[in-house]
Amino acid sequence: NAGVTQTPKFRILKIGQSMTLQCAQDMNHNYMYWYRQDPGMGLKLIYYSVGAGITDKGEVPNGYNVSRSTTEDFPLRLELAAPSQTSVYFCASSLGRGANYGYTFGSGTRLTVV
Amino acid sequence: AQRVTQPEKLLSVFKGAPVELKCNYSYSGSPELFWYVQYSRQRLQLLLRHISRESIKGFTADLNKGETSFHLKKPFAQEEDSAMYYCALAPGANNLFFGTGTRLTVIP
Repeated sequence: NAGVTQTPKFRILKIGQSMTLQCAQDMNHNYMYWYRQDPGMGLKLIYYSVGAGITDKGEVPNGYNVSRSTTEDFPLRLELAAPSQTSVYFCASSLGRGANYGYTFGSGTRLTVV
Repeated sequence: AQRVTQPEKLLSVFKGAPVELKCNYSYSGSPELFWYVQYSRQRLQLLLRHISRESIKGFTADLNKGETSFHLKKPFAQEEDSAMYYCALAPGANNLFFGTGTRLTVIP
């Protein structure tokens, strides 16, 4: 059972570079989420999606973009990397609204912007 | 605005001792609260939710609306309980708000 798969696990970017963090789930979950976790802080929601073709902003969406063309995939795009985006990024999914079903998390992507 | 506070970043207890991880929340509506856990080299995973009133791995958590708390408790800590614990609040939207986490270390 793969669950939620995130790639890459680690990445170092230079300021101004772009990259896409990949997230895929094989559980046929409708809801998918992207969180970031800064050192010593809790997880903060970047974007979420309630189904294919539907996305919405979370608490900290600036500097990121997402798309949801399929139920399985929910990539996160950083267009112009900045040092403030150095963080650990977690993708999660849930069958329905998270409060009722709980989240399944990926293993995270550790991103450093230098 | 909704907020989750976990006042202890670090908590150490001896094996067999009781453990309580504190969580306080701020939310004007009816809260839905959770505890998530991350063991070393593992993914963040759901431990328990208050609506289920369940006991998982010996842990329980009671919602106290008067004190706006959802503390996680276990009467006898085990070494395998050492992990990072996060309290989370679902304020009715499609989101979970997480606290900053408490790292529990159970000393043999």
